[in-house]
Formats: sequence, C-alpha cells, structure tokens
Amino acid sequence: KAGVTQTPRYLIKTRGQQVTLSCSPISGHRSVSWYQQTPGQGLQFLFEYFSETQRNKGNFPGRFSGRQFSNSRSEMNVSTLELGDSALYLCASKERETQYFGPGTRLLVL
Amino acid sequence: AQSVAQPEDQVKVAEGNPLTVKCTYSVSGNPYLFWYVQYPNRGLQFLLKYITGDNLVKGSYGFEAEFNKSQTSFHLKKPSALVSDSALYFCAVRDPKSSGNTGKLIFGQGTTLQVKP
Repeated sequence: KAGVTQTPRYLIKTRGQQVTLSCSPISGHRSVSWYQQTPGQGLQFLFEYFSETQRNKGNFPGRFSGRQFSNSRSEMNVSTLELGDSALYLCASKERETQYFGPGTRLLVL
Repeated sequence: AQSVAQPEDQVKVAEGNPLTVKCTYSVSGNPYLFWYVQYPNRGLQFLLKYITGDNLVKGSYGFEAEFNKSQTSFHLKKPSALVSDSALYFCAVRDPKSSGNTGKLIFGQGTTLQVKP
C-alpha cells in the first residue's frame, strides 16, 4: 500500500495570509490526525478526524481548523498566519492502534 | 495529565555497541506506548508499540523496547548499533482511559542518537 501523502511539501507564506494543507491517508484508513512540530514545542496534537467528524482537538487557537472528506482525505487550514505558525505539519492515518505518518508539510511564515 | 519524558537530549554510541534511548511516562490508566524515528526532513517512522502482553516488544530494524510498569519506563534498545541508526527518536504515549477512542498521542521531546563509526 502507498503511505500517507501530504501536499505541498514546502510552503512559504507571509503574515496574515491563510494556508490549506492536504493529507491523503493510507488506503482503508479512516482516522486522520494532524500534529505540529516545532523546535521549541516539539510535537503537538492538533486534531483528529474519523468518518468526516472531528473526534478530538488539541490546545490550538481557532485559527487552526480542519476537515475530512468522504474518501478520508483531510485538509487543515490556518487563517491569519503568524510567524510562530512556522513549523512542520505532520499528518497521520491510524489502523488499530498504530499511527503512520506522512512526510510532512514544512510551512515558513515570513 | 499524561506526559512523556526523554531525559537525554542526545545519546552517542560507537557502531557495534548496544544502545539505549530512555523514556518514562505518566498516565492515569494503562498506557499504550510507541517509538518513532525521524530522519532529517522526513516524517515519523513507526518502530514498535506496546499495547498489552509481553513486556519485551520487538520492532523494526532490530530495535526492541521493554515495558516496565513499576518504573513507568519504556526504554528503546538495540544490541548492535549501526551508523545508519543515527536519527531523532521519539517516545509517545496514549492513555485510552482519558483519550477514549481517539488516537491522540503525547510525545516526548525527542532524543538525538549519534552512532560513530
């Protein structure tokens, strides 16, 4: 099976803009989670979707949102970007208890 | 509250020597524990997990980990390190008692493993 794919891999935005990141899970996986990775805060949970429903949300401001489509693909959106949003955004799809991560989208906010 | 600690920012070993990367956790219930590895500019790669059963778990690439409930630890080990094992290693925990049916993982801060030739 193909692994988790994320697009785009790299992104440069300026403060105040918004961005949408995409994630395609492993075929057959219905659960998709998003994590933010920064040097200072490490890996932090953003949210999880299952069958198009948000099942859990981390401690992030409302500028961070997501959704999942009927084919289990997921998108996350960050509005009004801040410099501190620069990070590696990782998507993971889950089968049983194991999460499999994609390569990530590296976002740089200038 | 759930938490994971990786007490060493960096571990250095010589190739061929055994390696240990330490992890301790704090959860209210019985933990689900995981190890992941991250190579530069890559995502996280799953190595192994402990859910229940035998305390010694074997995973990918010759890695293993031992679950110790009394010491709340889940140290990653490998009998003979390779230079190609050099990477960033993350321990993660899920507490099904508090997180319910969701898959939310709490990660440690990561340990950089450097294997010298």
